[in-house]
Amino acid sequence: EIVMTQSPATLSVSPGERATLSCRASQSVSSNLAWYQQKPGQAPRLLIYGASTRATGIPARFSGSGSGTEFTLTISSLQSEDFAVYYCQQYNNWPETFGQGTKLEIK
Amino acid sequence: QVQLVQSGAEVKKPGSSVKVSCKASGGTFSSYTISWVRQAPGQGLEWMGRIIPILGIANYAQKFQGRVTITADKSTSTAYMELSSLRSEDTAVYYCARGTDGYLGYWGQGTLVTVSS
Repeated sequence: EIVMTQSPATLSVSPGERATLSCRASQSVSSNLAWYQQKPGQAPRLLIYGASTRATGIPARFSGSGSGTEFTLTISSLQSEDFAVYYCQQYNNWPETFGQGTKLEIK
Repeated sequence: QVQLVQSGAEVKKPGSSVKVSCKASGGTFSSYTISWVRQAPGQGLEWMGRIIPILGIANYAQKFQGRVTITADKSTSTAYMELSSLRSEDTAVYYCARGTDGYLGYWGQGTLVTVSS
């Protein structure tokens, strides 16, 4: 199965600053990559699919890029509600697999 | 709007089975896949398997092969996940999620399954 590796494990950023999260696949997943946000006690929420398409209702400060094996989620100006755990998921190959997550915390 | 409502928390003995339900509303149930993802305490997300309700075909992650059964009842727009031979490591929150081409756009609220003697 494809292994998804996210980095860093924890990212400390101040509100208003930019955050850049990375996700690497052990083999090419084309653009079949999604990003999810999860807050404590809540279910994950879809942010990005197709590597770069924002899901319905997701603010423009969230953007995704990349293809093949290297992907990035960028949050352009962090708001208080953005501090959460972020997961990438590949759905190019079965079984679909998730990264281990990046915790975005307030600096 | 699309909603997935899961059954309530369960406490189970080791070696027993649990069956979690996921009722969908808003949207066409059979037109999408329903996946099951679990999350152990303090851990990440783990994909377990999915079903295509319109076909009744389920696929499972190899880790769970032989222990998990995913079914769907089109008449009630409800999907089910049954996990057998439970052990303490199966203690987790179990989520159902509606899939479109593989990504998961809508999630249930989660069901905590605790396995304890």
